[in-house]
Amino acid sequence: GIQVEQSPPDLILQEGANSTLRCNFSDSVNNLQWFHQNPWGQLINLFYIPSGTKQNGRLSATTVATERYSLLYISSSQTTDSGVYFCAGPNAGNMLTFGGGTRLMVKP
Amino acid sequence: DTGVSQDPRHKITKRGQNVTFRCDPISEHNRLYWYRQTLGQGPEFLTYFQNEAQLEKSRLLSDRFSAERPKGSFSTLEIQRTEQGDSAMYLCASTTGLDTQYFGPGTRLTVL
Repeated sequence: GIQVEQSPPDLILQEGANSTLRCNFSDSVNNLQWFHQNPWGQLINLFYIPSGTKQNGRLSATTVATERYSLLYISSSQTTDSGVYFCAGPNAGNMLTFGGGTRLMVKP
Repeated sequence: DTGVSQDPRHKITKRGQNVTFRCDPISEHNRLYWYRQTLGQGPEFLTYFQNEAQLEKSRLLSDRFSAERPKGSFSTLEIQRTEQGDSAMYLCASTTGLDTQYFGPGTRLTVL
């Protein structure tokens, strides 16, 4: 199955700063998902993005499938953006393989 | 709230006891997935169903783990003879086909 690597593993930002999180995957995928896990453990869908660019408010994501990576951009970060960000790609049957996550802390 | 619910949210048990978790997916979703997440790691796939059929179960961690989805709606995950290493968050997700997976809040298991 595919392997997924995320970087950086940890990130500390001052409120208002911008950041870029990266996800590399070992094989071509037909979709990629980004999630935010809040402090209570709930995984919240951010993007379903097999290719191209999508935007949702202060967040946007770009997947370059031919080069096997995806980027998540957070602009004007807020303390509520803190948590862990995961990307995940599917194996056969849409069984997701997750990366190790990026732990983001936004300081006021 | 994603529309996927799990029960219980927390379970504390003693080593050697059996535990069962329930997942109620979004009603129109025909696929249901179980994942396990240990501290500091990303979720790890365990098993999945399409309607009532269990299509992949080789990733269940041992023969102490089993899952059912008897009527193609809710699902249960059972762990027999729990061990301390089973302590983790157990997550359920649902979807239609190959679309976005929506996750429940998880069941946090602590084995003493």
